[in-house]
Amino acid sequence: EAGVTQFPSHSVIEKGQTVTLRCDPISGHDNLYWYRRVMGKEIKFLLHFVKESKQDESGMPNNRFLAERTGGTYSTLKVQPAELEDSGVYFCASSQEQISEQYFGPGTRLTVT
Amino acid sequence: AQSVTQLGSHVSVSEGALVLLRCNYSSSVPPYLFWYVQYPNQGLQLLLKYTSAATLVKGINGFEAEFKKSETSFHLTKPSAHMSDAAEYFCAVSDRRSNYQLIWGAGTKLIIKP
Repeated sequence: EAGVTQFPSHSVIEKGQTVTLRCDPISGHDNLYWYRRVMGKEIKFLLHFVKESKQDESGMPNNRFLAERTGGTYSTLKVQPAELEDSGVYFCASSQEQISEQYFGPGTRLTVT
Repeated sequence: AQSVTQLGSHVSVSEGALVLLRCNYSSSVPPYLFWYVQYPNQGLQLLLKYTSAATLVKGINGFEAEFKKSETSFHLTKPSAHMSDAAEYFCAVSDRRSNYQLIWGAGTKLIIKP
């Protein structure tokens, strides 16, 4: 069974540009989460999908971030326009039930210059 | 609000020595507690979890953790460190008040000295 995959593994963009991160959860997992770790700080929750619906987006930093999960399968996280403080590692996780173990992808390292 | 404190951003132990990574949490309702590990250039992997069953939880790779409600602690231990244990370790808490989203500690890098 394939695990959670994320694309790209690394992205370097200039301030003001747009970047889209993709996450493919484990097949059959209705719950999908996005987290972010800014360098030197703790991992922070961004948002949680149940199927295609946003269950909790309380961790989204601002309206430059847009997450979607069309069809309840893969998810995208778009940052537009990117700012320097958006640099960090973005993790995606999925789980069968909300209280089940979350399985993590390898992360996308985003660098905004 | 829930929070997690990991004591020590870096912990160094000799190969074969006891590993002890400390985690304290705050939660106003019964928590679920987790330890995750991130090996270099890899994603986060679950080591073990506490979900209100036995207070002593055994995980993968010889690690275990004990939930102590009175001390609000969930420290991670391993009797004998191996070089392959060098990684970053994260403690996390979740509960129904946080909609079971994970609240993370800052992480502890474990360094193994030969």
